[in-house]
Amino acid sequence: DAKTTQPNSMESNEEEPVHLPCNHSTISGTDYIHWYRQLPSQGPEYVIHGLTSNVNNRMASLAIAEDRKSSTLILHRATLRDAAVYYCIPIIQGAQKLVFGQGTRLTINP
Amino acid sequence: KAGVTQTPRYLIKTRGQQVTLSCSPISGHRSVSWYQQTPGQGLQFLFEYFSETQRNKGNFPGRFSGRQFSNSRSEMNVSTLELGDSALYLCASSFRWGGTEAFFGQGTRLTVV
Repeated sequence: DAKTTQPNSMESNEEEPVHLPCNHSTISGTDYIHWYRQLPSQGPEYVIHGLTSNVNNRMASLAIAEDRKSSTLILHRATLRDAAVYYCIPIIQGAQKLVFGQGTRLTINP
Repeated sequence: KAGVTQTPRYLIKTRGQQVTLSCSPISGHRSVSWYQQTPGQGLQFLFEYFSETQRNKGNFPGRFSGRQFSNSRSEMNVSTLELGDSALYLCASSFRWGGTEAFFGQGTRLTVV
């Protein structure tokens, strides 16, 4: 399983963009990079995933470094509801499990 | 469509007892996996089932077991409960074998006293 490094915590203000970094220097060429988040008192929730190129969906954008050793989850306009623990998870194609690290606890100030 | 349903939501058991937790995946999903979440260890993978077969297992003692039925519903069982088994147990379902966009239930909070 590839190792990941994320900041323990980050803080931002409502309606401002948030950039959540993740280092995954041991990732292999076919590992997808997934992001999940866990809101208080809920199960984890899928956010986005990508392989090489940047990805966008209604929740967020994912920017993947050219060497794939790091990625950044971008929340374009944070809301209070985005306060959660965010997990960056490299996944081997076809794997049947998610290996969660400690994640980044994101606090959003009103 | 309905999400992943876990029952019961809360459970209190005594050391030495056994417990069975249930998970109903999203309709059409055939892969079900289980995770344990504790403050000390975080989220840890227990096992994954697809078409009634266990495909992958995490590093947990044999007291933890599971099964999947033909309708994809899954149960996990913990025998001879220990205080350290107190945790939030989460179930996740995916559409296809190896599918990694997983949808999680709200979990079962187990307290062992």
